[in-house]
Amino acid sequence: ETGVTQTPRHLVMGMTNKKSLKCEQHLGHNAMYWYKQSAKKPLELMFVYNFKEQTENNSVPSRFSPECPNSSHLFLHLHTLQPEDSALYLCASSLGASGETQYFGPGTRLLVL
Amino acid sequence: AQSVTQLDSHVSVSEGTPVLLRCNYSSSYSPSLFWYVQHPNKGLQLLLKYTSAATLVKGINGFEAEFKKSETSFHLTKPSAHMSDAAEYFCVVSPNTDKLIFGTGTRLQVFP
Repeated sequence: ETGVTQTPRHLVMGMTNKKSLKCEQHLGHNAMYWYKQSAKKPLELMFVYNFKEQTENNSVPSRFSPECPNSSHLFLHLHTLQPEDSALYLCASSLGASGETQYFGPGTRLLVL
Repeated sequence: AQSVTQLDSHVSVSEGTPVLLRCNYSSSYSPSLFWYVQHPNKGLQLLLKYTSAATLVKGINGFEAEFKKSETSFHLTKPSAHMSDAAEYFCVVSPNTDKLIFGTGTRLQVFP
């Protein structure tokens, strides 16, 4: 788990708050991902970045705004979220973005009140 | 279209008995296949990966999986379950794009 770190590990926010999730990878990878994991649902891919460029936006609402300033850091900016956005948000990285092994962080458990 | 089906949402075994977690996939060409494990309140950890080399893949913690093209299966096995194996297991197929396609997961319970 130490290869990919995520902060904070837990977050409680109101629907009018703005917050950011941070992911950092220490593996020298070039691709980074955001996933959403909700109870009783398959893991949902949200965004993919490859060499800092967004290559995938899986129809994610605009209240989720990703940012990738460099290949080691990935942010997910949150604003005006809804209670149904409560979930575990997982970050992952891989060396390339063509079916390669992805390494996951521990996740941020988000609760929207 | 690529897809993956985990046939059991829950599996319960006694400690020391074999584990079998079933996975079937659908892919129009040779995919990469993975098994990940997720312990409570943790991220996903890679158990093993198949990439068209040996059909029997050995992973961490004594797990292994066999790729059977004729059956489009990639079942995960372990000869003897340990209490620490209790977790959620995900079968994943990668059609060699930037997406991994996850199964819905199998929750493994291990009883003493």
